[in-house]
Amino acid sequence: QKEVEQDPGPLSVPEGAIVSLNCTYSNSAFQYFMWYRQYSRKGPELLMYTYSSGNKEDGRFTAQVDKSSKYISLFIRDSQPSDSATYLCAIQGAQKLVFGQGTRLTINP
Amino acid sequence: SQTIHQWPATLVQPVGSPLSLECTVEGTSNPNLYWYRQAAGRGLQLLFYSVGIGQISSEVPQNLSASRPQDRQFILSSKKLLLSDSGFYLCAWSRNTEAFFGQGTRLTVV
Repeated sequence: QKEVEQDPGPLSVPEGAIVSLNCTYSNSAFQYFMWYRQYSRKGPELLMYTYSSGNKEDGRFTAQVDKSSKYISLFIRDSQPSDSATYLCAIQGAQKLVFGQGTRLTINP
Repeated sequence: SQTIHQWPATLVQPVGSPLSLECTVEGTSNPNLYWYRQAAGRGLQLLFYSVGIGQISSEVPQNLSASRPQDRQFILSSKKLLLSDSGFYLCAWSRNTEAFFGQGTRLTVV
């Protein structure tokens, strides 16, 4: 079983839609949860980071963590064409940082 | 502020040739350092991580190796490259929470 599972998509939605991206993980020792955005041929950039169950909001982005279910989500409200990218979840525990496969997202104008 | 430098940005190497990719971090001390590989359209595969000088943990057995000769320097090496070593290599650092990435090296083995 992979340590982190993420649906690779691709996911295509119209501009203005709410986007939901999800990951599951297997090791309850993981403590920190992150979402990254990666544009083509670039390094991933950190979008959001959280360490507790619940929601964390930053502008149009909301990160949600459910430690009891080992499930994390990223919601994007009022999606824009500039949000088109690959989104990767990442989970950190005991110095080890593990990524999901990434979901390729396209926002259509 | 912290910055991470990774070079070169692109590299084309023949099969059987050696490899050395370097990553350095500025503005922090004793970071955790990571090497990842990303195949086209795929996620990030953790290759090596290091929590201190000379301390290397390998995640995937292969013909690559890593070294950390200084606190903020992380090197990825190979003695003889294979075609399957082609990919996008990313270095990252963290302090046990969020991680920050370099801009990556696109390696093509021909």
